[in-house]
Amino acid sequence: KAGVTQTPRYLIKTRGQQVTLSCSPISGHRSVSWYQQTPGQGLQFLFEYFSETQRNKGNFPGRFSGRQFSNSRSEMNVSTLELGDSALYLCASSPDGQYNEQFFGPGTRLTVL
Amino acid sequence: ELKVEQNPLFLSMQEGKNYTIYCNYSTTSDRLYWYRQDPGKSLESLFVLLSNGAVKQEGRLMASLDTKARLSTLHITAAVHDLSATYFCAVDLGNTPLVFGKGTRLSVIA
Repeated sequence: KAGVTQTPRYLIKTRGQQVTLSCSPISGHRSVSWYQQTPGQGLQFLFEYFSETQRNKGNFPGRFSGRQFSNSRSEMNVSTLELGDSALYLCASSPDGQYNEQFFGPGTRLTVL
Repeated sequence: ELKVEQNPLFLSMQEGKNYTIYCNYSTTSDRLYWYRQDPGKSLESLFVLLSNGAVKQEGRLMASLDTKARLSTLHITAAVHDLSATYFCAVDLGNTPLVFGKGTRLSVIA
């Protein structure tokens, strides 16, 4: 089975711009979660989507949004970028069975200048 | 609110030595995962622990779960350089997001 894929892998933006990141889960996985990882804050949960619905949301401002499509692919959007949004954004999928093991994609490295 | 604490956060150990990383959590759970992350890379699943007393081993790594003590350990036997990475534990409460520890950065030196 192919793993979780994320595009793009690297991105450079300037303050005030917006960005859209994409994630394709493992085939058959219906749950997709997004995380932000920075050296200072560690791994922080952004949101989780299941069957096109946001099921859980972390403590991030409204500038961070996401959605999931009927094929389980997911996108996250960050508007009005700030310097502090520079991070590794990780997407993870889960089969949503009896337990919630997450399978992570390679990540998108976002740099905001 | 579930809190997950790992210690140590930084670990420098000599090749050939043994050591244990600890993961304590504050709310009862019988599901815990360990992940490995190499610098600049994503997280790789290492172990899935799904019951009290669960023990899993892969090569020089062994993970265990004590749900009564709310403690999981990741034991490293005869460390080699290739084990240098950051190790995360994550606790699963069910229909809520996984809660990750801050990670233990392991450096194995000759």
